[in-house]
Amino acid sequence: DVKVTQSSRYLVKRTGEKVFLECVQDMDHENMFWYRQDPGLGLRLIYFSYDVKMKEKGDIPEGYSVSREKKERFSLILESASTNQTSMYLCASSYSSDQETQYFGPGTRLLVL
Amino acid sequence: GQNIDQPTEMTATEGAIVQINCTYQTSGFNGLFWYQQHAGEAPTFLSYNVLDGLEEKGRFSSFLSRSKGYSYLLLKELQMKDSASYLCAVIYNFNKFYFGSGTKLNVKP
Repeated sequence: DVKVTQSSRYLVKRTGEKVFLECVQDMDHENMFWYRQDPGLGLRLIYFSYDVKMKEKGDIPEGYSVSREKKERFSLILESASTNQTSMYLCASSYSSDQETQYFGPGTRLLVL
Repeated sequence: GQNIDQPTEMTATEGAIVQINCTYQTSGFNGLFWYQQHAGEAPTFLSYNVLDGLEEKGRFSSFLSRSKGYSYLLLKELQMKDSASYLCAVIYNFNKFYFGSGTKLNVKP
């Protein structure tokens, strides 16, 4: 079974803090994705990566950055957390972006105070 | 993004059949997924359609019409455990995923 894990299920941070969300997959997937999910807005793509050290902006990259130093790990960074970044963050991975499904991690619910 | 529309919420009775519709912009379309998401959990894959027609998988079936920009997910013999949100997602231009807002399905006894 594909396993995608995220470093925390719940996280509480203060405005202005730097926040790291980690995602690890164990199936040697080339592609990894970070989404946020908000009520009424569905899942929105923040960043994705097709290979190590490669990243591309999704629909809402502002206020976020990513890092992919190793194939199995994709990190989402909030340089200076703001209250409007309170959300559920979901990581996903896949073998290819046009044929295979994405496998999701359990999600990290982030609250920024 | 890409105007992926699906109803916000639906209610159906245990044992019944329910159809959840999804419409999308057709330009650049490469494929359509349906995911199930229980409250507080990650989405899980249900189906993938890239050609027109009906794909059946047990109690769940998914239909696609590429020319109409239309898909539906059909759930038969509804069970209480089917209460969840159902997400329609479309791939555009081979590398961009867009999700609808999801349809919350309430199954009542």
